[in-house]
Amino acid sequence: NAGVTQTPKFRILKIGQSMTLQCTQDMNHNYMYWYRQDPGMGLKLIYYSVGAGITDKGEVPNGYNVSRSTTEDFPLRLELAAPSQTSVYFCASTLSRSGSIYEQYFGPGTRLTVT
Amino acid sequence: GQNIDQPTEMTATEGAIVQINCTYQTSGFNGLFWYQQHAGEAPTFLSYNVLDGLEEKGRFSSFLSRSKGYSYLLLKELQMKDSASYLCAVLDSNYQLIWGAGTKLIIKP
Repeated sequence: NAGVTQTPKFRILKIGQSMTLQCTQDMNHNYMYWYRQDPGMGLKLIYYSVGAGITDKGEVPNGYNVSRSTTEDFPLRLELAAPSQTSVYFCASTLSRSGSIYEQYFGPGTRLTVT
Repeated sequence: GQNIDQPTEMTATEGAIVQINCTYQTSGFNGLFWYQQHAGEAPTFLSYNVLDGLEEKGRFSSFLSRSKGYSYLLLKELQMKDSASYLCAVLDSNYQLIWGAGTKLIIKP
């Protein structure tokens, strides 16, 4: 199993540009998450999904959109990029929402700079 | 609001023992997690506590006191590869993970 994969690994955007961060998992997990991590800060939840066709906002959803058309894929869309969106973005998935099997598996991250 | 506090940075010596503390105030509690994150990498799961007490897993142990809103991660026989950030996270009443900012652990020879 490849686990959780993310592309691209690095990206530089100009202010106002748009892009999609790709996330794929091959573990048949229903739950998927997008986080951002700013330097010296904890992970902040952007959006999450409990299954194909179902998404919901997390703590910091403004400026982002998601879709979940399949169990495997959970892309994150940035519209009109702003410098405040410079961050490291992690995608994660989990089998269950409770108990010790709630362990989240993370992708390697996308380092995004908006200038 | 919801809050998780951990020390920003700690330094320890190779071969020694270090305890990283975490205190939390969250809306509900469905378990506490510790993750390890090496610089430039993704977090990886270390431990999960939902009941009070100590969970031991090799060189790493994690303790939880729900009444005190307190946990610690204990690392024994420190190795240079243990240099990393250690993230405390609480699963709240909505089954969302609330993350602390992490503790950067520096191991010196």
